[in-house]
Amino acid sequence: NAGVTQTPKFQVLKTGQSMTLQCAQDMNHNSMYWYRQDPGMGLRLIYYSASEGTTDKGEVPNGYNVSRLNKREFSLRLESAAPSQTSVYFCASSEGWGTTTNEKLFFGSGTQLSVL
Amino acid sequence: RKEVEQDPGPFNVPEGATVAFNCTYSNSASQSFFWYRQDCRKEPKLLMSVYSSGNEDGWFTDQLYRASQYISLLIRDSKLSDSATYLCVVKRVTGNQFYFGTGTSLTVIP
Repeated sequence: NAGVTQTPKFQVLKTGQSMTLQCAQDMNHNSMYWYRQDPGMGLRLIYYSASEGTTDKGEVPNGYNVSRLNKREFSLRLESAAPSQTSVYFCASSEGWGTTTNEKLFFGSGTQLSVL
Repeated sequence: RKEVEQDPGPFNVPEGATVAFNCTYSNSASQSFFWYRQDCRKEPKLLMSVYSSGNEDGWFTDQLYRASQYISLLIRDSKLSDSATYLCVVKRVTGNQFYFGTGTSLTVIP
């Protein structure tokens, strides 16, 4: 079972370059998320998609855009990378029924991004 | 006030020791509670879901104290392989957002 698949695993960018992080899940989940993780800051939500066709800002959306391409795929784009975006990025998914108790998050293996 | 707060540690304990982590949450509408484990440079993985009645999984025990708005994780007879960061995660009754604590670092020493 693949679960949540993220690509690439590592990326080095120069300031001002653009790139797209790809994420796909094969669990038929409705909701998908992009987080960044920085030392001492914990996981912070960038954007999420509650269901196919919808996207919403999270805690730290500035400098990012997202696309929910279909139910399986949710991509994160950096249009003009900045050193402050150096971080580890995680994609995640959940069943996404909103009021369901015990709804769990499943994570991809992460992308280590460095912006020079 | 942060949605979820944890003592970051680090906790350094000898092998076989018992260690407890607490996590407080600020929103009384929180419905679902979890402990995730994260190894260095890896993705978080679900360790346990937390219920009002408490839950045991091997040498791990969790408990929800809803009136006081905190959850706990107890690790008995800790093992070297338990060394990791433990993340407290909370979800509200409605909506699709999960809220994370910053994590508690545990190192089990031989």
